Amino acid sequence: QLQLQESGPGLVKPSETLSLTCTVSGGSISNSRYFWGWIRQPPGKGLEYIGSFHYGASSYYKSSLKSRVTISTDTSKNQFSLQLTSVTAADTAAYYCARGDPNGSSSWLQLESWGQGILVTV
Amino acid sequence: QSVLTQPPSASGTPGQRITISCSGSSSNIRGNYVYWYQQLPGTAPKLLIYKSTERPSGVPDRFSGSKSGTSASLAISGLRSEDEADYYCAAWDDSLSGPIFGGGTKLTVL
Repeated sequence: QLQLQESGPGLVKPSETLSLTCTVSGGSISNSRYFWGWIRQPPGKGLEYIGSFHYGASSYYKSSLKSRVTISTDTSKNQFSLQLTSVTAADTAAYYCARGDPNGSSSWLQLESWGQGILVTV
Repeated sequence: QSVLTQPPSASGTPGQRITISCSGSSSNIRGNYVYWYQQLPGTAPKLLIYKSTERPSGVPDRFSGSKSGTSASLAISGLRSEDEADYYCAAWDDSLSGPIFGGGTKLTVL
């Protein structure tokens, strides 16, 4: 059974870099059938798509975050990571990692499995 | 303010049928699939509807999605107390060149 688990510091200082890792079990991030991504949710607010990738192929980053976001992979540990630089209070949110199935669409939106989320406060 | 507009709240009584609307535009809903997510309190979102009308395995057929023009709807029939949650619509936006979420609708089961 697929499981995703976010990990990282729960508190980051303004102007510093937020770094989170998603550890995947029960499935490989290098499986080209699926894509993997990050979504965040400020406290009491709605969902915001940060970015996603198809291992070895395409990727998507939200345009307003693109200059500050890096999503990287470590296939030896079956992990992928999010780095968000120069954070401000506006980056305070629960951060979720997820796996998606393109299923013939390029929308990056069929997110079928999610981690439990991690709250990061700036 | 979200590009996809949802009512902030909705309510119904057990057994009732309710619908949640998601209003968009020609750059998102009209030409693209709509997705719906359910977020129970304190938990991660769960995919409820994909490709506008399809249900993932395990999602009860009480939940259904529809799309017409620049709007989409999620219908829940036979409302249950455990349906009390936040519901989000989502779609690709051609103008923004990215996926977007609606602002969410909080469903209360009275």
